[in-house]
Amino acid sequence: EAGVAQSPRYKIIEKRQSVAFWCNPISGHATLYWYQQILGQGPKLLIQFQNNGVVDDSQLPKDRFSAERLKGVDSTLKIQPAKLEDSAVYLCASSLTWNTEAFFGQGTRLTVV
Amino acid sequence: EDQVTQSPEALRLQEGESSSLNCSYTVSGLRGLFWYRQDPGKGPEFLFTLYSAGEEKEKERLKATLTKKESFLHITAPKPEDSATYLCAVQVGGTQERYSGGGADGLTFGKGTHLIIQP
Repeated sequence: EAGVAQSPRYKIIEKRQSVAFWCNPISGHATLYWYQQILGQGPKLLIQFQNNGVVDDSQLPKDRFSAERLKGVDSTLKIQPAKLEDSAVYLCASSLTWNTEAFFGQGTRLTVV
Repeated sequence: EDQVTQSPEALRLQEGESSSLNCSYTVSGLRGLFWYRQDPGKGPEFLFTLYSAGEEKEKERLKATLTKKESFLHITAPKPEDSATYLCAVQVGGTQERYSGGGADGLTFGKGTHLIIQP
């Protein structure tokens, strides 16, 4: 079974630039999450989708971050404009339903300089 | 606010030396406690879910237990390939509860325990 796919693996941008990350969840998984993991910390939830609807975006910095999940499958996370403190690994995860374990992709490492 | 605290932050063991990692939590309405393993440069890999106090689950050299305030991950006779960061996470509320005004389903993670097993 194919896992959660993310791209790109690495991205370096200058502050105030924009960047987008892409995620393809495991086939058939209705729930999709984006997490931010800063070096030395555990992942922090940014947004949760159930099919193509947003369930929880309470920790998403909405002035600069946006996310969408069109057609309830792939998802993109965008940062515009980026700040130095956005340097982190962005992890996408999916689960079959809202009450089953989540499976993570390998993440995108973002460096903002 | 939901809190998850893991200890120790780092642990170095000799191969074959058994030990335990601790995860203490303060949440309202725990629905599940999760253990993940994370290798450098990779995403977390699911290990266990525990739902109620007294529950135990095992996988190879790992055994997870749960009480009302904490969870332990016991590692028996570890091997170098067990070296990784072990993350504990809690899930509170749920879709049903959320539609009734409760929380969402995302995980709240601890900072992890960085485990090194020396040959």
